[in-house]
Parts: sequence; C-alpha cells; structure tokens
Amino acid sequence: KAGVTQTPRYLIKTRGQQVTLSCSPISGHRSVSWYQQTPGQGLQFLFEYFSETQRNKGNFPGRFSGRQFSNSRSEMNVSTLELGDSALYLCASSPIDNRNTGELFFGEGSRLTVL
Amino acid sequence: AQKVTQAQTEISVVEKEDVTLDCVYETRDTTYYLFWYKQPPSGELVFLIRRNSFDEQNEISGRYSWNFQKSTSSFNFTITASQVVDSAVYFCALSDRNTGGFKTIFGAGTRLFVK
Repeated sequence: KAGVTQTPRYLIKTRGQQVTLSCSPISGHRSVSWYQQTPGQGLQFLFEYFSETQRNKGNFPGRFSGRQFSNSRSEMNVSTLELGDSALYLCASSPIDNRNTGELFFGEGSRLTVL
Repeated sequence: AQKVTQAQTEISVVEKEDVTLDCVYETRDTTYYLFWYKQPPSGELVFLIRRNSFDEQNEISGRYSWNFQKSTSSFNFTITASQVVDSAVYFCALSDRNTGGFKTIFGAGTRLFVK
C-alpha cells in the first residue's frame, strides 16, 4: 500500500511569490491534515480536510490556504511568501470517519526555502 | 484549549540503558486521544501508539511501553534497553473532537541520542 506522497520535495522561492504544495493520501484515507515544522515553533497545525471540507484550521494568516479534491488529494497554497515561511510542510492522512479520530500517517514533507 | 508539554528537550543515553520520555497534556474534553510519534533523522514521522481517554490500561510492545495516567494528565513513553536505532525525535500528541472535525496538536518533541 503506497504511503502519503508529497510533491515537490524541495523548492526554493523568493519573497512575495506564491507556492502550491500537493499531497496524495493513502488510498482509502479521507482526512488530510497539514502541518508546518520549523526548528523554533515545532509542529504547527495548519488545517484539516475531510470530504473536500475544511473542518479545522490552525492559527495561521489568510495567506495560507488549502483545498481537497473529490479523490481526497489535497493542496495547500501560500501566497505572498515571507522569509518566515521557510519550513518543512508535512501532510498527513488518517483513516477516520465523521466521528472518530485516529492516527496520522505522514508524508516525507515538502521543504520550502524562501530567499 | 489543548496543550502538550514535553519538558525534556534532549536526552542522551548509552546503549542498553532504559529511558523514559515525559509527556503532560491539557484538554477540557472528556474524550480525547493521545499519541506518540517518532521522527528519525530521515525526517518522516512514524506513528507509534494511540490511547483513548477512556482506556488507562498501560501497553507494552517489545522494548516500548507507555504509561497513561489521567490523574496526572501524563502519557509517558519508556524504551527499555535502548539501541542506536532508537535515536530520533519523539513527539507526543493530543487530539480531541472539535465540532465535527479533529485537530491534533504536538508537543515540542524530545530528541533522544543513544550512543
């Protein structure tokens, strides 16, 4: 069974640009969560999607957005990049239904560097 | 509000020593889930265990054991006879229901060095 796949793995952008990251969850997983990992702030929750609906959102500015498609694949977008957005962005999928919660299965992440 | 505290930033042990990683959590919910994840140097977070708030039974899996105590809001993780391959960052996480969705937050992590 294929794991969570994130693309691209590495990317370099300059301030002011925007970036789109992609995540393909494990087959059958309908929940996708995104996290930002930095040395200073650790793992910060961005948002969680289930059946194309954003159910939860972390404390990030509106420059951070996401969406989920009908096949459960998800994308996140960061507009007007700032130096502080440099981080490892992790996607995780979960085999949960509407009521329960379960463990997260993580991808290898997309490492974004903003110059 | 949810909060997970891992007070130990780094721990260094000699191979075959036992080591306990501490985790203290805060939540107002009566139903919640606790997790431990391992992030080896390769970077991909790996799920280790989940405990439900209504199940305080401790668990042992090989050299790993977990001690869940609701009275002290703690969910500690012990590695017996540590090995070099155990060197990694270990994260404790908490998830609770949140208006139809779920949100998992992570502690700051404990970096374990096994020499």
